[in-house]
Amino acid sequence: EVQLVESGGGLVQPGGSLKLSCAASGFTFSGSDMNWVRQTSGKGLEWVGRIRSKAKSYATGYAASVKGRFTISRDDSKNTAYLQMNSLTTEDTAVYYCAAVVTATFDSWGQGTLVTVSS
Amino acid sequence: SYELTQPPSMSVSPGETASFTCSGDKLRERYVSWYQQKPGQSPVVVIFQDNKRPSGIPERFSGSNSGNTATLTISGTQAMDEADYYCQAWDSSTGVFGGGTKLTVL
Repeated sequence: EVQLVESGGGLVQPGGSLKLSCAASGFTFSGSDMNWVRQTSGKGLEWVGRIRSKAKSYATGYAASVKGRFTISRDDSKNTAYLQMNSLTTEDTAVYYCAAVVTATFDSWGQGTLVTVSS
Repeated sequence: SYELTQPPSMSVSPGETASFTCSGDKLRERYVSWYQQKPGQSPVVVIFQDNKRPSGIPERFSGSNSGNTATLTISGTQAMDEADYYCQAWDSSTGVFGGGTKLTVL
């Protein structure tokens, strides 16, 4: 069974940093692109960024709204993807999901972890 | 930046056909996926690569993509289909989601 479990969310002050983790199981993690998607309360989905597989040179891409502040990485030996978030603002408050591309799209999603940016 | 536009809401009666549209410039040149999200749950893919259904998704879900508009169709809508539906495509290496359509089954 494919499973993605996010962790690391919580309350952080504006300007602060937070690192989220996404632990994967049940599929070939090393061969899959990993994405982060966020959702503000009652609003829609926003793609945050992705890291591709080793076969695709671990290429990363980011949404304009987070570029330069967020960094996605992965550790294939631990089947885990990460989202390092710096210079956080209140507009980054959201539920953050990791989503795996196992076949051809965002096939599997985690349960999400809430990040609240507030003083 | 690339944008996908969806109507914010729609309603149908049980047994009717629900058709969701997703509009974007030359959308036909991109693959479109559709995601269903029920309250308090994570999104689930119901259509990928315009018209493919993942295993476990009922046959009443179908998709198409032509010109500037992609369409998700639910034939014989059931009460359990009440949810938010999002389209998604790629613009070069950037993921893009539509704003979502809330389906109410009356």
